[in-house]
Amino acid sequence: AQKITQTQPGMFVQEKEAVTLDCTYDTSDPSYGLFWYKQPSSGEMIFLIYQGSYDQQNATEGRYSLNFQKARKSANLVISASQLGDSAMYFCAMREHSGNTGKLIFGQGTTLQVKP
Amino acid sequence: NAGVTQTPKFQVLKTGQSMTLQCAQDMNHEYMSWYRQDPGMGLRLIHYSVGAGITDQGEVPNGYNVSRSTTEDFPLRLLSAAPSQTSVYFCASSYKRVIRAGANVLTFGAGSRLTVL
Repeated sequence: AQKITQTQPGMFVQEKEAVTLDCTYDTSDPSYGLFWYKQPSSGEMIFLIYQGSYDQQNATEGRYSLNFQKARKSANLVISASQLGDSAMYFCAMREHSGNTGKLIFGQGTTLQVKP
Repeated sequence: NAGVTQTPKFQVLKTGQSMTLQCAQDMNHEYMSWYRQDPGMGLRLIHYSVGAGITDQGEVPNGYNVSRSTTEDFPLRLLSAAPSQTSVYFCASSYKRVIRAGANVLTFGAGSRLTVL
């Protein structure tokens, strides 16, 4: 069964520094997608970045990059040059492509606080 | 585009009351789903649908019913509310297949905060 694990309930980072949020996953499906979402205190869910299991390169979107290590089943989010507005909860999620259920499973989330 | 619209945003119920959380999307997405978010638990899948007339259970389906009579709408029904159903509920939708990289990104509604007394 698919599973997502985020082991860091809370993280602190100094403004302008980089931070890595951990995510490990478990699946037997060779075709899957990994997602990161941000949830600020206002509550909305904001899509950040996507990595397909067959993608050859790590995904990047501006200051966000995904450190995808397929053999270790990890998909860590790296935020470079942290800003105060990055303070939020971050969720890792996975979708298996086989079976076409479209089901997306989330991890427990990591709360990031950026210090000025 | 309105995206995913959820109503109501806030609701207070008494134990045993019933209610329906409405969800509508205008993006012609095949996949629709309901999640609940509780502190320390992340987002847990309640029910999902891969098209009109097709629904399936997620991780925490007990106490909730869904139906999908149209592509656009996916209401969530609480038949007899319990305090354990106090939570924030999110509806989300996406294309089902990976048409292109990232095309199946889930789009979320704004959330509905439900309190059961």
